[in-house]
Amino acid sequence: DAGVIQSPRHEVTEMGQEVTLRCKPISGHNSLFWYRQTMMRGLELLIYFNNNVPIDDSGMPEDRFSAKMPNASFSTLKIQPSEPRDSAVYFCASSSSGRRLTEAFFGQGTRLTVV
Amino acid sequence: QKEVEQNSGPLSVPEGAIASLNCTYSDRVSQSFFWYRQYSGKSPELIMSIYSNGDKEDGRFTAQLNKASQYVSLLIRDSQPSDSATYLCAPRDSSYKLIFGSGTRLLVRP
Repeated sequence: DAGVIQSPRHEVTEMGQEVTLRCKPISGHNSLFWYRQTMMRGLELLIYFNNNVPIDDSGMPEDRFSAKMPNASFSTLKIQPSEPRDSAVYFCASSSSGRRLTEAFFGQGTRLTVV
Repeated sequence: QKEVEQNSGPLSVPEGAIASLNCTYSDRVSQSFFWYRQYSGKSPELIMSIYSNGDKEDGRFTAQLNKASQYVSLLIRDSQPSDSATYLCAPRDSSYKLIFGSGTRLLVRP
């Protein structure tokens, strides 16, 4: 398996523009997590899905952020409009959540810079 | 109170020594516990998982869990300079949520 695949790896955009980050989880995994990492705040959980359903989006900073998981093999995180304070590394992770809650595997991350 | 607390460090140890990393968590219903290692500019990677009270050993790594005290630790024996990284603690509860601590930066001096 290729692991969790995120795209793009790097994104530079101007303030006010829409940004879409993409994630393909590991095949067979039914939980998907979106995290944001900055030096100041560490690794923050934004939202997570189980069986394609959003379970908890309380970590989404504000209405400018939205996430979808239309099927088991694809998820997007959208920021509209983007602001300089959104600059961070965004990670997607997936795991299986059956009888035992197993570990999450991370993608390579998307480094977002909003200028 | 933060859900997961870790000393940010840096924890500096000489090569060959034992590094001890600690983590406390506030959620009593956490069931699974994970330690991740993150090198600068890279994504977190799993080091150890532990599900039951007690110790679990894997090579140079030992995870220790005490659910009554809401405490989990990671010991690294015979520390190597390549172990220098940030170590993240992550409890997981039955709601599938996976929250990370802020991490402890470990520096192993040659």
